[in-house]
Amino acid sequence: NAGVTQTPKFQVLKTGQSMTLQCAQDMNHEYMSWYRQDPGMGLRLIHYSVGAGITDQGEVPNGYNVSRSTTEDFPLRLLSAAPSQTSVYFCASSYQAGSGANVLTFGAGSRLTVL
Amino acid sequence: GQNIDQPTEMTATEGAIVQINCTYQTSGFNGLFWYQQHAGEAPTFLSYNVLDGLEEKGRFSSFLSRSKGYSYLLLKELQMKDSASYLCAVKDSNYQLIWGAGTKLIIKP
Repeated sequence: NAGVTQTPKFQVLKTGQSMTLQCAQDMNHEYMSWYRQDPGMGLRLIHYSVGAGITDQGEVPNGYNVSRSTTEDFPLRLLSAAPSQTSVYFCASSYQAGSGANVLTFGAGSRLTVL
Repeated sequence: GQNIDQPTEMTATEGAIVQINCTYQTSGFNGLFWYQQHAGEAPTFLSYNVLDGLEEKGRFSSFLSRSKGYSYLLLKELQMKDSASYLCAVKDSNYQLIWGAGTKLIIKP
């Protein structure tokens, strides 16, 4: 049981470069999300999806794109990297969104540095 | 605006008890979560409260008072492996999670 798999674990980019963070889950979860975690701040939601073909913006979506073509995969694309996007990124999934104790399962995280 | 407040850092002694507080101001309330995050690792789920009162799970307990916008996580018989950050998160009226910045707990022998 792999859970939530994120790649790469570490990445260094130059300003203006683009890249994709991969996220896959094998738990048949409907809800998937991307967060960024910065020192001294709570996790901030970038984008989320409540099912295949459905995506929506979170609190800090600018500079990022997502797609959800399958239930399993939810890649996060950085269009033109900026130093402000230096952060640790977490993919997380749960059985569903909405009310109730929909516990999030997190991937191991991707540490991104933009020079 | 929406706000979750937790102490930045706490120190406790191995074998002792520690209480980590969380106060919140959110647009609506649909449950409160506590997650544990060891340094360099992903958060993992500890507890969920949606009704007032105490939920006990082994050495860990979590309390909620919705009228006061307040929760605490109680850790008993502290072990060195409990050194971690503890994240409080509230699900708001749109069922989105609002996260606190976390409390770093340092356990000393």
